[in-house]
Amino acid sequence: GAVVSQHPSRVICKSGTSVKIECRSLDFQATTMFWYRQFPKQSLMLMATSNEGSKATYEQGVEKDKFLINHASLTLSTLTVTSAHPEDSSFYICSALAAGQGAPEQYFGPGTRLTVT
Amino acid sequence: QKEVEQNSGPLSVPEGAIASLNCTYSDRGSQSFFWYRQYSGKSPELIMSIYSNGDKEDGRFTAQLNKASQYVSLLIRDSQPSDSATYLCAVTTGGGNKLTFGTGTQLKVEL
Repeated sequence: GAVVSQHPSRVICKSGTSVKIECRSLDFQATTMFWYRQFPKQSLMLMATSNEGSKATYEQGVEKDKFLINHASLTLSTLTVTSAHPEDSSFYICSALAAGQGAPEQYFGPGTRLTVT
Repeated sequence: QKEVEQNSGPLSVPEGAIASLNCTYSDRGSQSFFWYRQYSGKSPELIMSIYSNGDKEDGRFTAQLNKASQYVSLLIRDSQPSDSATYLCAVTTGGGNKLTFGTGTQLKVEL
């Protein structure tokens, strides 16, 4: 159980275009999902917290107009990188917190590697 | 001061030995502590969670928590080459479910 999928696994886009990444909880309902970014040789940095049916909460320094997050259902959250630039190239990983779960264990998706050319 | 600190390593241990990974954290209000394993190019995989002081064992893994010292560790017994990975310590901060990750310790298990 506790499987989280992400799509696509890899994407290459041109500078100035937008890219949408999907995160799905496959076998459980997730009231809360998290979006992280990881640059090479660095740890995960939380970008935003996404709660179903409400606006995402962004971490300091993360541009909410650039990284659009939608959590329309208990099993799906999306991250759209708008007007992507080469410096946005990174490994984007989502995680999900199971609804009603007492312990706050986050289950991670397999990640999406974004390359902006 | 970093919120979650780990020695970056690499930590090299021979196959069959015990690997000891350490982590300290700065938020005294942290309630939940996790160890994740991350292979190169992959996303983190939850190995252990611990919420109260003391030891928690799961197979070859033992997590140890000392809230007074703000210290959490992970012991891997009978280390295998497949255990070679980066181990990330994560701690809930700010009183909620948000995780703050350490930079990770690279473990190398040598034949």
